[in-house]
Amino acid sequence: EAGVTQFPSHSVIEKGQTVTLRCDPISGHDNLYWYRRVMGKEIKFLLHFVKESKQDESGMPNNRFLAERTGGTYSTLKVQPAELEDSGVYFCASRKRGSSYNEQFFGPGTRLTVL
Amino acid sequence: AQSVTQLDSQVPVFEEAPVELRCNYSSSVSVYLFWYVQYPNQGLQLLLKYLSGSTLVESINGFEAEFNKSQTSFHLRKPSVHISDTAEYFCAVSELPWNSGGSNYKLTFGKGTLLTVNP
Repeated sequence: EAGVTQFPSHSVIEKGQTVTLRCDPISGHDNLYWYRRVMGKEIKFLLHFVKESKQDESGMPNNRFLAERTGGTYSTLKVQPAELEDSGVYFCASRKRGSSYNEQFFGPGTRLTVL
Repeated sequence: AQSVTQLDSQVPVFEEAPVELRCNYSSSVSVYLFWYVQYPNQGLQLLLKYLSGSTLVESINGFEAEFNKSQTSFHLRKPSVHISDTAEYFCAVSELPWNSGGSNYKLTFGKGTLLTVNP
């Protein structure tokens, strides 16, 4: 079974440009999460999808960030326009549906550098 | 809201020495507790978790952590480390679903502790 995959692994863009990050969850996982780690800080929750629906967007930093999960499979996270403070590692995680605890499986992350 | 404090950002040790990585948390509600590990150039992997029951939990590679409710701690220990244990370790908590009104399970992380095992 393939794990969570993220594309690209690295992205270097200039301030003001647009970047789109992609996450492919484990097949059959309804829950998909985005997290971000800014250098020197903790990994922070951004948002949570259940299938194609956004359940919790409380961690999204501002309206320059747009996450989608059309069809309830892969997800994209677009940053437009990118600012210097958006640099960091963006992690995606997926989890099986269930009322009891199920493990979140993480992807390798996308390292975003905004110059 | 929850917060997690990992008191040590870096811990260098020699091979075969014991190690303890400290984690304290703050929460007004009950939480699940986790340790994740990130090896170089890899994603985060779950190392061990405390959901309920015995307060001492163990991983398959010799790590253990003990949940201490009175001290709100979940320290990670290993009696003898190997070079292959070199990685960054993250402590995390997740609010119990009945507290958050659903099965969100979003994680709140500490800043991480870089464990470097030297020969």
